[in-house]
Parts: sequence; structure tokens; C-alpha cells
Amino acid sequence: GQNIDQPTEMTATEGAIVQINCTYQTSGFNGLFWYQQHAGEAPTFLSYNVLDGLEEKGRFSSFLSRSKGYSYLLLKELQMKDSASYLCAVRDSNYQLIWGAGTKLIIKP
Amino acid sequence: IAGITQAPTSQILAAGRRMTLRCTQDMRHNAMYWYRQDLGLGLRLIHYSNTAGTTGKGEVPDGYSVSRANTDDFPLTLASAVPSQTSVYFCASSLNPTGELFFGEGSRLTVL
Repeated sequence: GQNIDQPTEMTATEGAIVQINCTYQTSGFNGLFWYQQHAGEAPTFLSYNVLDGLEEKGRFSSFLSRSKGYSYLLLKELQMKDSASYLCAVRDSNYQLIWGAGTKLIIKP
Repeated sequence: IAGITQAPTSQILAAGRRMTLRCTQDMRHNAMYWYRQDLGLGLRLIHYSNTAGTTGKGEVPDGYSVSRANTDDFPLTLASAVPSQTSVYFCASSLNPTGELFFGEGSRLTVL
């Protein structure tokens, strides 16, 4: 079967750095997405990786290793507004998105 | 309308009733999707449409139907609601089937 694994919950301190990991086993690979979802709101797009390496976008970076079936989302200079769930999703060989259950990130002052 | 709009935002429904969740987008996106989100689970695809006039079944299609008569609208119908269909439903769209998804604000449905 297809599977996306992420930690259920993480806690970090305001101003610090946090890394959220995602491992996947899917039938084929056509890109990996990270989305942010605040409680009670819709998911919003953060990043997309299709080639190995690091994609940087402001305070957020996303890394992909296709050979290891692994990605991480790195959040720097954490702010209270970064408290949210972070969803990892992989496009399989049929271009369907397979979603992880999400990682709830709690930021403490 | 700006982006993707869902209605209703929230609904309580008696089991056995018929319900249609509406979804409209004004971005001229070709692909549209319906997901349900339940606590502790990832988003699960119910139905999708890669272009107007076509639809396909996702991971959890049973008990749901969709239509795509035009580019903008993609309604989801529960023919006879059951309590296990209590969930938050998200409609999403993408320019094409390989692009990033844009989500509506969600419809919280409770079936009693």
C-alpha cells in the first residue's frame, strides 16, 4: 500500500528552528508538496519538490531525497503564527496526491 | 467571488437525508477535487474531475456522487447521509492535474 509518515505533534520555541520530517512509500513519484493548515481553516500551499535537494522560500525550506523516500520542511525564526498543522503529500505514478495525516506544530513563547 | 467558494460552511443533517455541497471556482482551473478530512487521518480523495464533463472516483467514493457540467462548478451529493459521513469536506482546484491545489474554506457536516 501507499503510505506517508509524519510525526503527529512537535513543540518548538519562538525564534528557534524546527524540522518536520516526512517519509513516503508510494507507487511512483511525481513530486512532493508541503501545505500549512491553521486550525479550522483550509490548507494553503507552502512548497513543491520534484528533484533532489533544497528549495528555499523565505523562512521556509523544503528538502527532498527521492532515493530515501524522504523530505523535510525547515522553519526558521519561528513566530507564533507558525502554530499550525503541516501536511506532506506525494503525487504517485497516476498523479493522485497521497496525503500524510499532518504534523501539529505548537510554538511556545 | 475570488478563488474557490464552498457552501454551506456548516450543516447538521438527519441520517437518510439527501445533501448537496456546492463548490465554485473563478480561476478557470481545469481540475477539481473533493476531499474529506477526519481527525488523525490525512485528506482522503472522494471524487475528482480533470476537466469539465469528466469525473473519476477517488479513495473513498461510496455514498457520494459528483457532476462537472461546466468548468466552474463541482457539486458533491450525499444521496442518503449516514453518521460515518460526518466530516469536514474540502473542495480544491488546480490549473491542471499536476499542479498545486487551491482549497476552499471547507464545509463541516454533521450527520445525526
